[in-house]
Amino acid sequence: EIVMTQSPATLSVSPGERATLSCRASQSVSSDLAWYQQRPGQAPRLLIYSASTRATGIPARFSGSGSGTEFTFTISSLQSEDFAVYYCQQYNNWPRTFGQGTKVEIK
Amino acid sequence: QVQLQESGPGLVKPSETLSLTCTVSGYSISSGYYWGWIRQPPGKGLEWIGSLFHTGSTYYNPSLKSRVTMSVDTSRNQFSLKVASVTAADTAMYYCARGSFADYWGQGTLVTVSS
Repeated sequence: EIVMTQSPATLSVSPGERATLSCRASQSVSSDLAWYQQRPGQAPRLLIYSASTRATGIPARFSGSGSGTEFTFTISSLQSEDFAVYYCQQYNNWPRTFGQGTKVEIK
Repeated sequence: QVQLQESGPGLVKPSETLSLTCTVSGYSISSGYYWGWIRQPPGKGLEWIGSLFHTGSTYYNPSLKSRVTMSVDTSRNQFSLKVASVTAADTAMYYCARGSFADYWGQGTLVTVSS
């Protein structure tokens, strides 16, 4: 099983600032990496797939990069609705696995 | 517009079998994609349970494999999940979703295991 490790666990950011989240895989997942946003009481929402491709309707302030074992997710200028938990997930191997999540909170 | 909707009992007794169904609208399961189940215990992260293809091929999380069964009913455009011998640790929000990366999700259904 591929273990996905996200850092930091919590990120405190002021509105308008940049947020950078990391995700590391225990072995290469090529570019088969997705990012999700989960707001309280809601189902997760797909933001990024193939490590860097934005899903339909996702604003350009969200971006992803990386390949192999190291991935980065960036929100260029945080809006109020972006304060949430973010998960990475690999889909290169079975079983699919998620990181433990990064909570982006208001500073 | 692709939509997924979970249904099933919200309360299951310990040692019994949890059964959920996901009804898909706006897309035919037979047209492709993997279809999966993901769960989230209260206050915790996401756990992938398993996926199936419309042909019936299945992939289960090894941590649950001995207790999980997934099936598909293409005539009703539904797929289902069964988890046997449940315990309190199976209490979670259960989501169904489309794809290897989940581009569409159901709203989730909370299943509580309690006597």
